[in-house]
Amino acid sequence: GAVVSQHPSRVICKSGTSVKIECRSLDFQATTMFWYRQFPKQSLMLMATSNEGSKATYEQGVEKDKFLINHASLTLSTLTVTSAHPEDSSFYICSARDIRGSGDSYEQYFGPGTRLTVT
Amino acid sequence: GQNIDQPTEMTATEGAIVQINCTYQTSGFNGLFWYQQHAGEAPTFLSYNVLDGLEEKGRFSSFLSRSKGYSYLLLKELQMKDSASYLCASLDSNYQLIWGAGTKLIIKP
Repeated sequence: GAVVSQHPSRVICKSGTSVKIECRSLDFQATTMFWYRQFPKQSLMLMATSNEGSKATYEQGVEKDKFLINHASLTLSTLTVTSAHPEDSSFYICSARDIRGSGDSYEQYFGPGTRLTVT
Repeated sequence: GQNIDQPTEMTATEGAIVQINCTYQTSGFNGLFWYQQHAGEAPTFLSYNVLDGLEEKGRFSSFLSRSKGYSYLLLKELQMKDSASYLCASLDSNYQLIWGAGTKLIIKP
């Protein structure tokens, strides 16, 4: 099956520092990857859509200069939280869509998530 | 606007059957997904419906009515491990997933 990995799984950082989260599709190629944020007991919130080789598309209200996304290859996307603050503490989840996805196969494969705590 | 509605929380008994409903209004429609999410974990895929009718997959079944903008997830022979949140998501005309807030299912012995 399609596997997506995320690294790190947990990270604690100090306020003002930057954190990079990696999302990799291990056994398939993904032209599109998605970054979500989820606060406790709330649903997934799409932050941005990342397309390989082009700029990410950010959802309304998400600061692109704070949440830097790079999708340099068909198997890797990174999210960098810059100048992190305690309110950025959350569960960050990436998902990837297979390059071969067609009308009946737009399933997103999720990574295991990264729990970020900013102190 | 785009909107996905599903109940916030449901409770059911081990061994019983539960139906989780979802109504959707999205810009275009290319299918309806159900995902399961255990606390602290990422969502996992359960089902995809794009045609009207019932799709059965073991203990889980999913139904879609496109004319009514309605879907449900049916869980049979409930087990304690089925306690989780169940997320309904509609694939819109841009092939973007529009997510519901999720239904927290609590299973009691």
